[in-house]
Amino acid sequence: NAGVTQTPKFQVLKTGQSMTLQCAQDMNHNSMYWYRQDPGMGLRLIYYSASEGTTDKGEVPNGYNVSRLNKREFSLRLESAAPSQTSVYFCASTLTQGNNEQFFGPGTRLTVL
Amino acid sequence: KQEVTQIPAALSVPEGENLVLNCSFTDSAIYNLQWFRQDPGKGLTSLLLIQSSQREQTSGRLNASLDKSSGRSTLYIAASQPGDSATYLCAVGGGGADGLTFGKGTHLIIQP
Repeated sequence: NAGVTQTPKFQVLKTGQSMTLQCAQDMNHNSMYWYRQDPGMGLRLIYYSASEGTTDKGEVPNGYNVSRLNKREFSLRLESAAPSQTSVYFCASTLTQGNNEQFFGPGTRLTVL
Repeated sequence: KQEVTQIPAALSVPEGENLVLNCSFTDSAIYNLQWFRQDPGKGLTSLLLIQSSQREQTSGRLNASLDKSSGRSTLYIAASQPGDSATYLCAVGGGGADGLTFGKGTHLIIQP
């Protein structure tokens, strides 16, 4: 099992450019999440998908969109990147909502110039 | 809104010592608490998951306790080793599918 995989690992964008961060899990998990990690701020939830076909906003959703493509894949899109979106992005998954362990991907380090 | 605090923010100890990392949360209505390890430039590795009905969990040299009523958890590391050097994150789950709330972490250095 690869667990949770993310692509790309690193990305540099110019202000106003768009991109999609990809995430996939092979653990047959129902719920998937996108977090961002910033120095001094800890990890914060951007969007989540409780199950295939559903998505909901987290704590910091502005400037992002998501797509739960199927049970395995959950993508995060930046339509018009801003320097404030420079961060490390983590995807995570868990079997289902409630008392289940979350598993994290290796992260995407994004710099917006 | 749930808030999670980790103390200390940084800790440096000699190899072989036993140590305790602290985590507190403001809303005791949690469903679980998870401890993670993060190495520099890497993702999060889950160490221990404690359900709200449990008091503690153990894995090897790690022991995590949970006191839900007082809003506290501790991670005990026995016989520390240089390989334990990392940032340790505490996160609480509210029971829904809406993710975890994280503390800012304790940066741990074990001196050889």
